[in-house]
Amino acid sequence: KQEVTQIPAALSVPEGENLVLNCSFTDSAIYNLQWFRQDPGKGLTSLLLIQSSQREQTSGRLNASLDKSSGRSTLYIAASQPGDSATYLCAVVILTGGGNKLTFGTGTQLKVEL
Amino acid sequence: DAGVTQSPTHLIKTRGQQVTLRCSPKSGHDTVSWYQQALGQGPQFIFQYYEEEERQRGNFPDRFSGHQFPNYSSELNVNALLLGDSALYLCASNWKAREQFFGPGTRLTVL
Repeated sequence: KQEVTQIPAALSVPEGENLVLNCSFTDSAIYNLQWFRQDPGKGLTSLLLIQSSQREQTSGRLNASLDKSSGRSTLYIAASQPGDSATYLCAVVILTGGGNKLTFGTGTQLKVEL
Repeated sequence: DAGVTQSPTHLIKTRGQQVTLRCSPKSGHDTVSWYQQALGQGPQFIFQYYEEEERQRGNFPDRFSGHQFPNYSSELNVNALLLGDSALYLCASNWKAREQFFGPGTRLTVL
């Protein structure tokens, strides 16, 4: 059974810091991996999707890496801003039953302070 | 393109009642998946519909059922509501096995 773990559970940093969020998964047979952002009480916003054949993806101040063999992914946020405050969720995507299914971690709650 | 839409936004029910949540997929998508997100947890996969049939299912009891219509929209039904069913219910749509796009969710509170 695939299990996804995110560390740390919560993080508070001053504005401007670079930070790393960690995600680990137990079964390396994944189709791809996604990072999402979730604001309180809201739905999920996809940030980055890394195909299983890729090592990393970048979008603006965000960079996500994937090491399938070790079951790890990291999300790097450069020059953090108060607007980055949210919960960040990692999800592994597997192909099953003719479709795909996401298994999520419990998230990292990030607070960026002025 | 309106993206994935869900209704209602919020819902309050009492234990034992039944509830129906609705989802309209993103234009061009043929597959709808439902997820349950309890407070402080990551979303948990409930089931997925394709061609009006349940294609795969997560570890949820039979009280959770669904339906997909010919226009690809979908409903999630929950019978005999329990306090533990209180959660944010997320719908996601995609085409074939491509990336899933999520709706804003329906917040269900069971009293």
